[in-house]
Amino acid sequence: QVHLVESGGGVVQPGRSLRLSCAASGFTFSSSGMHWVRQAPGKGLEWVALIWYDGNDEYYADSVKGRFTISRDNSKNTLFLQMNSLRVEDTAIYYCARDRTSRGYTIDYWGQGTLVTVPS
Amino acid sequence: QSALTQPPSASGSPGQSVTISCTGTSSDVGGYNYVSWYQQHPGKAPKLMIYEVNKRPSGVPDRFSGSKSGNMASLTVSGLQAEDEADYYCSSYAGSNNVFGGGTKLTVL
Repeated sequence: QVHLVESGGGVVQPGRSLRLSCAASGFTFSSSGMHWVRQAPGKGLEWVALIWYDGNDEYYADSVKGRFTISRDNSKNTLFLQMNSLRVEDTAIYYCARDRTSRGYTIDYWGQGTLVTVPS
Repeated sequence: QSALTQPPSASGSPGQSVTISCTGTSSDVGGYNYVSWYQQHPGKAPKLMIYEVNKRPSGVPDRFSGSKSGNMASLTVSGLQAEDEADYYCSSYAGSNNVFGGGTKLTVL
Protein backbone atom coordinates (compact mmCIF):
# COMPACT_ATOMS: atom_id res chain seq x y z
CA GLN A 1 0.00 0.00 0.00
CA VAL A 2 1.03 3.62 -0.47
CA HIS A 3 3.34 4.83 2.27
CA LEU A 4 4.76 8.33 2.57
CA VAL A 5 7.09 9.32 5.40
CA GLU A 6 8.22 12.90 5.83
CA SER A 7 11.33 13.96 7.72
CA GLY A 8 13.48 17.03 8.25
CA GLY A 9 11.14 19.26 10.22
CA GLY A 10 12.21 21.18 13.27
CA VAL A 11 12.71 24.63 14.76
CA VAL A 12 14.55 27.08 12.49
CA GLN A 13 15.19 30.80 12.92
CA PRO A 14 13.66 33.34 10.53
CA GLY A 15 15.72 33.81 7.40
CA ARG A 16 17.36 30.39 7.65
CA SER A 17 16.87 27.30 5.48
CA LEU A 18 15.50 23.81 5.95
CA ARG A 19 15.18 20.78 3.66
CA LEU A 20 12.31 18.35 3.99
CA SER A 21 12.36 14.82 2.61
CA CYS A 22 9.60 12.34 1.87
CA ALA A 23 10.34 8.64 1.43
CA ALA A 24 7.78 6.91 -0.76
CA SER A 25 6.95 3.22 -1.04
CA GLY A 26 4.17 0.90 -2.13
CA PHE A 27 3.67 2.41 -5.59
CA THR A 28 5.61 3.36 -8.72
CA PHE A 29 7.01 6.67 -7.53
CA SER A 30 8.41 7.65 -10.93
CA SER A 31 4.90 7.55 -12.43
CA SER A 32 3.22 9.89 -9.95
CA GLY A 33 3.03 13.63 -9.61
CA MET A 34 3.87 14.69 -6.05
CA HIS A 35 2.78 17.62 -3.89
CA TRP A 36 3.66 19.41 -0.68
CA VAL A 37 0.73 20.77 1.32
CA ARG A 38 0.98 22.59 4.64
CA GLN A 39 -1.31 23.29 7.56
CA ALA A 40 -0.58 26.04 10.05
CA PRO A 41 -1.54 25.24 13.66
CA GLY A 42 -5.32 25.28 13.97
CA LYS A 43 -5.75 26.40 10.36
CA GLY A 44 -6.79 24.90 7.05
CA LEU A 45 -4.85 23.19 4.30
CA GLU A 46 -2.67 25.24 1.95
CA TRP A 47 -1.24 23.78 -1.24
CA VAL A 48 2.48 24.59 -1.50
CA ALA A 49 4.08 22.95 -4.53
CA LEU A 50 3.75 20.29 -7.22
CA ILE A 51 6.27 18.39 -9.30
CA TRP A 52 5.38 16.21 -12.25
CA TYR A 53 6.32 12.52 -12.43
CA ASP A 54 9.53 13.15 -14.35
CA GLY A 55 10.60 16.26 -12.47
CA ASN A 56 10.42 18.38 -15.61
CA ASP A 57 7.68 20.70 -14.36
CA GLU A 58 7.25 22.42 -11.01
CA TYR A 59 4.57 24.74 -9.73
CA TYR A 60 4.35 26.83 -6.58
CA ALA A 61 1.91 28.78 -4.47
CA ASP A 62 2.49 32.52 -4.67
CA SER A 63 3.27 32.55 -0.94
CA VAL A 64 6.42 30.44 -1.41
CA LYS A 65 7.46 31.19 -4.98
CA GLY A 66 11.11 32.18 -5.17
CA ARG A 67 11.86 30.83 -1.67
CA PHE A 68 10.92 27.13 -1.85
CA THR A 69 12.07 24.51 -4.37
CA ILE A 70 10.45 21.14 -4.90
CA SER A 71 12.53 18.31 -6.36
CA ARG A 72 12.59 14.54 -6.58
CA ASP A 73 14.98 11.64 -6.95
CA ASN A 74 13.16 8.87 -8.76
CA SER A 75 16.09 6.50 -8.30
CA LYS A 76 15.62 6.77 -4.52
CA ASN A 77 11.83 7.19 -4.41
CA THR A 78 12.27 10.43 -2.52
CA LEU A 79 10.64 13.85 -2.70
CA PHE A 80 12.25 17.02 -1.34
CA LEU A 81 11.29 20.54 -0.38
CA GLN A 82 14.10 23.06 0.00
CA MET A 83 12.84 25.98 2.04
CA ASN A 84 14.93 29.17 2.09
CA SER A 85 14.38 32.58 3.69
CA LEU A 86 11.93 31.07 6.14
CA ARG A 87 9.34 33.32 7.76
CA VAL A 88 7.24 33.06 10.91
CA GLU A 89 4.20 32.46 8.72
CA ASP A 90 5.81 29.33 7.25
CA THR A 91 5.22 27.58 10.58
CA ALA A 92 3.07 24.54 9.79
CA ILE A 93 2.81 20.81 9.45
CA TYR A 94 4.15 19.95 6.00
CA TYR A 95 2.51 17.00 4.27
CA CYS A 96 3.94 15.06 1.37
CA ALA A 97 1.14 13.87 -0.90
CA ARG A 98 0.79 11.69 -3.99
CA ASP A 99 -1.21 12.61 -7.07
CA ARG A 100 -3.50 10.08 -8.73
CA THR A 101 -1.93 11.00 -12.06
CA SER A 102 1.51 11.66 -13.45
CA ARG A 103 0.88 15.38 -13.16
CA GLY A 104 -1.11 17.27 -10.56
CA TYR A 105 -4.86 16.96 -10.71
CA THR A 106 -5.86 15.11 -7.56
CA ILE A 107 -4.08 14.25 -4.31
CA ASP A 108 -5.06 10.76 -3.18
CA TYR A 109 -2.59 9.77 -0.44
CA TRP A 110 -0.97 11.80 2.30
CA GLY A 111 1.94 11.26 4.68
CA GLN A 112 1.59 11.94 8.39
CA GLY A 113 3.41 15.26 8.12
CA THR A 114 6.46 16.91 9.65
CA LEU A 115 6.28 20.05 11.78
CA VAL A 116 8.28 23.13 10.86
CA THR A 117 8.43 25.90 13.43
CA VAL A 118 9.82 29.36 12.68
CA PRO A 119 9.67 31.30 15.96
CA SER A 120 9.09 35.03 16.12
CA GLN B 1 -4.61 31.71 -6.04
CA SER B 2 -7.52 32.58 -3.78
CA ALA B 3 -8.87 29.89 -1.50
CA LEU B 4 -12.19 28.27 -2.31
CA THR B 5 -15.08 29.36 -0.08
CA GLN B 6 -16.65 26.88 2.34
CA PRO B 7 -19.00 27.48 5.28
CA PRO B 8 -16.99 27.26 8.52
CA SER B 9 -19.42 24.85 10.12
CA ALA B 10 -22.24 22.41 9.40
CA SER B 11 -24.19 20.03 11.57
CA GLY B 12 -26.80 17.30 11.55
CA SER B 13 -28.26 14.58 13.72
CA PRO B 14 -27.44 10.90 13.25
CA GLY B 15 -29.23 9.51 10.24
CA GLN B 16 -29.80 12.89 8.66
CA SER B 17 -28.16 14.30 5.54
CA VAL B 18 -25.94 17.36 5.36
CA THR B 19 -24.50 19.19 2.36
CA ILE B 20 -21.33 21.27 2.37
CA SER B 21 -20.76 23.79 -0.38
CA CYS B 22 -17.52 24.89 -2.01
CA THR B 23 -17.51 28.00 -4.17
CA GLY B 24 -14.75 28.91 -6.56
CA THR B 25 -14.41 30.59 -9.92
CA SER B 26 -14.29 29.68 -13.58
CA SER B 27 -10.51 29.36 -13.18
CA ASP B 28 -10.78 26.46 -10.77
CA VAL B 29 -14.02 24.71 -9.77
CA GLY B 30 -15.95 25.90 -12.81
CA GLY B 31 -13.16 25.26 -15.26
CA TYR B 32 -12.22 21.68 -14.49
CA ASN B 33 -13.84 18.45 -13.32
CA TYR B 34 -11.03 17.94 -10.83
CA VAL B 35 -12.79 18.76 -7.60
CA SER B 36 -11.87 16.65 -4.58
CA TRP B 37 -13.09 16.40 -1.00
CA TYR B 38 -10.99 15.41 2.01
CA GLN B 39 -11.94 14.36 5.53
CA GLN B 40 -9.58 15.19 8.38
CA HIS B 41 -9.98 14.01 11.95
CA PRO B 42 -8.07 15.88 14.70
CA GLY B 43 -4.38 15.11 14.67
CA LYS B 44 -4.65 12.98 11.55
CA ALA B 45 -3.68 13.38 7.91
CA PRO B 46 -6.46 14.19 5.43
CA LYS B 47 -8.22 11.34 3.65
CA LEU B 48 -9.60 11.48 0.11
CA MET B 49 -13.38 11.00 0.09
CA ILE B 50 -14.44 12.23 -3.38
CA TYR B 51 -12.42 12.93 -6.52
CA GLU B 52 -13.22 14.22 -9.99
CA VAL B 53 -16.40 15.82 -8.63
CA ASN B 54 -18.37 12.67 -7.86
CA LYS B 55 -16.15 9.58 -7.79
CA ARG B 56 -15.55 7.62 -4.60
CA PRO B 57 -12.26 5.86 -3.88
CA SER B 58 -12.46 2.23 -2.90
CA GLY B 59 -13.45 1.89 0.74
CA VAL B 60 -15.33 5.18 1.06
CA PRO B 61 -18.96 4.55 2.03
CA ASP B 62 -21.59 5.40 -0.58
CA ARG B 63 -23.12 7.72 2.01
CA PHE B 64 -20.65 10.27 0.66
CA SER B 65 -21.46 11.87 -2.68
CA GLY B 66 -20.30 14.87 -4.67
CA SER B 67 -21.69 17.16 -7.33
CA LYS B 68 -20.92 20.38 -9.15
CA SER B 69 -22.88 23.14 -10.83
CA GLY B 70 -21.04 26.01 -12.41
CA ASN B 71 -18.48 27.41 -9.98
CA MET B 72 -19.90 25.59 -6.95
CA ALA B 73 -19.24 22.05 -5.81
CA SER B 74 -21.02 20.19 -3.03
CA LEU B 75 -20.39 17.26 -0.74
CA THR B 76 -23.40 15.44 0.68
CA VAL B 77 -23.14 13.06 3.60
CA SER B 78 -26.26 10.93 3.99
CA GLY B 79 -27.20 8.82 6.97
CA LEU B 80 -24.87 10.76 9.26
CA GLN B 81 -22.86 8.70 11.70
CA ALA B 82 -20.85 9.77 14.72
CA GLU B 83 -17.57 8.96 12.97
CA ASP B 84 -18.38 11.46 10.22
CA GLU B 85 -17.66 14.29 12.65
CA ALA B 86 -14.50 15.86 11.23
CA ASP B 87 -13.17 18.75 9.16
CA TYR B 88 -13.90 18.60 5.45
CA TYR B 89 -11.91 20.38 2.76
CA CYS B 90 -12.66 20.82 -0.90
CA SER B 91 -9.89 21.21 -3.44
CA SER B 92 -9.72 21.99 -7.13
CA TYR B 93 -7.15 21.83 -9.85
CA ALA B 94 -6.63 25.36 -11.16
CA GLY B 95 -4.46 24.93 -14.23
CA SER B 96 -0.90 24.16 -13.02
CA ASN B 97 -1.67 24.72 -9.36
CA ASN B 98 -4.18 23.47 -6.83
CA VAL B 99 -6.34 25.33 -4.36
CA PHE B 100 -8.10 24.29 -1.15
CA GLY B 101 -11.16 25.59 0.59
CA GLY B 102 -10.94 26.98 4.10
CA GLY B 103 -12.54 23.88 5.58
CA THR B 104 -15.89 23.03 7.18
CA LYS B 105 -16.21 21.55 10.64
CA LEU B 106 -18.99 18.96 10.54
CA THR B 107 -20.63 18.27 13.88
CA VAL B 108 -22.87 15.28 14.45
CA LEU B 109 -25.36 16.38 17.09
